[in-house]
Amino acid sequence: AQKITQTQPGMFVQEKEAVTLDCTYDTSDPSYGLFWYKQPSSGEMIFLIYQGSYDQQNATEGRYSLNFQKARKSANLVISASQLGDSAMYFCAMREGWKGGGATNKLIFGTGTLLAVQP
Amino acid sequence: DAGITQSPRHKVTETGTPVTLRCHQTENHRYMYWYRQDPGHGLRLIHYSYGVKDTDKGEVSDGYSVSRSKTEDFLLTLESATSSQTSVYFCAISESAGGIYGYTFGSGTRLTVV
Repeated sequence: AQKITQTQPGMFVQEKEAVTLDCTYDTSDPSYGLFWYKQPSSGEMIFLIYQGSYDQQNATEGRYSLNFQKARKSANLVISASQLGDSAMYFCAMREGWKGGGATNKLIFGTGTLLAVQP
Repeated sequence: DAGITQSPRHKVTETGTPVTLRCHQTENHRYMYWYRQDPGHGLRLIHYSYGVKDTDKGEVSDGYSVSRSKTEDFLLTLESATSSQTSVYFCAISESAGGIYGYTFGSGTRLTVV
């Protein structure tokens, strides 16, 4: 069964420093997608970045980049130049690929990493 | 905004009573999902729908049922609420399967069972 593992319950980073949030996944499906979401204290889920299993290059979105190592089944999120507003819970998630006659399109989440950016 | 709303936003109910949460979308997206969020567990999938009247169970479906009689509405029912169902419930929608099609989340419903 698909599984997402985030081993860092909490992390601290100094403002303007880079930080890496770890994510490993397990799937036997050759086609899958990996997502990162940010959840600030206000509670909304904010999409950050996406990586497809067949994408050759690591995804980037502004200060966010995804370090995709397919053979190791890892999809770490790198935030460059941390800002105070980056303090939030971060979730890694994986979309299940095609099953049988169609796709369920289910999104499975890890347990999250709480990031605190210190001034 | 994304056109997904959850109601109610907050609810307190008593143990043993039925509760229905509503997710409404104006995006005409095919897929809809119900998750619950609890500390230390992240978001866990309760039920999902891949079309009108097409639903299936997620990983934590016991004690919950769903219905989707039209594209825009996905209802989650707690048949007999228990304290273990105190949680924040999120609805999500997705346009299509595969590719970069993402998921849009509602604002959440905070449910307290006393």
